[in-house]
Amino acid sequence: DTEVTQTPKHLVMGMTNKKSLKCEQHMGHRAMYWYKQKAKKPPELMFVYSYEKLSINESVPSRFSPECPNSSLLNLHLHALQPEDSALYLCASSQGQFSSYGYTFGSGTRLTVV
Amino acid sequence: EDQVTQSPEALRLQEGESSSLNCSYTVSGLRGLFWYRQDPGKGPEFLFTLYSAGEEKEKERLKATLTKKESFLHITAPKPEDSATYLCAVQAFGDFGNEKLTFGTGTRLTIIP
Repeated sequence: DTEVTQTPKHLVMGMTNKKSLKCEQHMGHRAMYWYKQKAKKPPELMFVYSYEKLSINESVPSRFSPECPNSSLLNLHLHALQPEDSALYLCASSQGQFSSYGYTFGSGTRLTVV
Repeated sequence: EDQVTQSPEALRLQEGESSSLNCSYTVSGLRGLFWYRQDPGKGPEFLFTLYSAGEEKEKERLKATLTKKESFLHITAPKPEDSATYLCAVQAFGDFGNEKLTFGTGTRLTIIP
């Protein structure tokens, strides 16, 4: 199994809603990531979990809250989002601190905030 | 701060017309340079890792090369299915746990049948 699975694939939410994005991998990777990607822009790092501990938080607003319940799962909890938060949210994983095989990305969750 | 600049922003080629994509980078100490392919609405797909100047890697119609300041992705006799956005990213040496990749803005490649 060499996949990163993200659910849901599409999500429409209002500015007062609370929702969660989920990510799962079964490759034994010990680093997991959340990226945000706007149209025609490169992915922007949001959070890094290394060995289930948050190791990088790129000054993301508190309306985004990551959670890593175990080494295979990564969640992104969303609350009181703004329309400008609409984007493709990508989860990725890698073997560890540095991987020759790069990151394995999921297909993303297309989020629309209305 | 690490920086990655890709050119051209967009490239249209006829099927079979070979060309190269450029990735210029500035990094404090290069740990690795990565090339990814991204199709619309999908996550990036890993292609290559390059570590040191002079290194080359090949996969089907793609060949990636690295110098001390830039990397090239050469596409030989491309086919329409090679149409995608190609992203370059660098990773610098840093403290443990600092797995940050810095991405370029990508080159949107279109191969016309």
